[in-house]
Amino acid sequence: NAGVTQTPKFRVLKTGQSMTLLCAQDMNHEYMYWYRQDPGMGLRLIHYSVGEGTTAKGEVPDGYNVSRLKKQNFLLGLESAAPSQTSVYFCASSYSWDRLYNEQFFGPGTRLTVL
Amino acid sequence: GNSVTQMEGPVTLSEEAFLTINCTYTATGYPSLFWYVQYPGEGLQLLLKATKADDKGSNKGFEATYRKETTSFHLEKGSVQVSDSAVYFCALSSNAGGTSYGKLTFGQGTILTVHP
Repeated sequence: NAGVTQTPKFRVLKTGQSMTLLCAQDMNHEYMYWYRQDPGMGLRLIHYSVGEGTTAKGEVPDGYNVSRLKKQNFLLGLESAAPSQTSVYFCASSYSWDRLYNEQFFGPGTRLTVL
Repeated sequence: GNSVTQMEGPVTLSEEAFLTINCTYTATGYPSLFWYVQYPGEGLQLLLKATKADDKGSNKGFEATYRKETTSFHLEKGSVQVSDSAVYFCALSSNAGGTSYGKLTFGQGTILTVHP
């Protein structure tokens, strides 16, 4: 089991460029999440998905789009990158939101720098 | 809304010292509470969890008790090691109203450095 994987690991963009971050999980989890991590602010939820074909906004969705065409994959897109989107991005997945099974498993992260 | 507040860091200790990292929360409903750990250059790993009041989560010598009356979930370890150096995050998941879908609300993280 690879768990949760993310590609790429690092990326440098210029302002205005676009890119897609890929998250994949092999645990057959229904729920998937995208977070960003900034110094002194913990992790903040960008978007999430409760199943294939569904997506919803989190706490900080502006400037990002997502898609969940396959159950195992959750893509995060930046249409026009801005320096404020410089961050470390983490993907996570969980089996259920039920309190017995709501542990989230995290990927290793993608470090994005926007110049 | 939900929120999690952790003690200010960073925390620097000598090996074998006692560790406490304070965490308090506000939430609607009956949240589950978590401590996640992030080692340098890695993603977050679940350290321990508690799903109801008075539950004690424990793992790798770390413990935390879900205190509903004080809305707290403080992390403790009796004797820290150099290998415990990491960032520790307190988090909650609240399903009040059935619409939260397990979303985690994180504290800001506490950097722990343990010296030999």
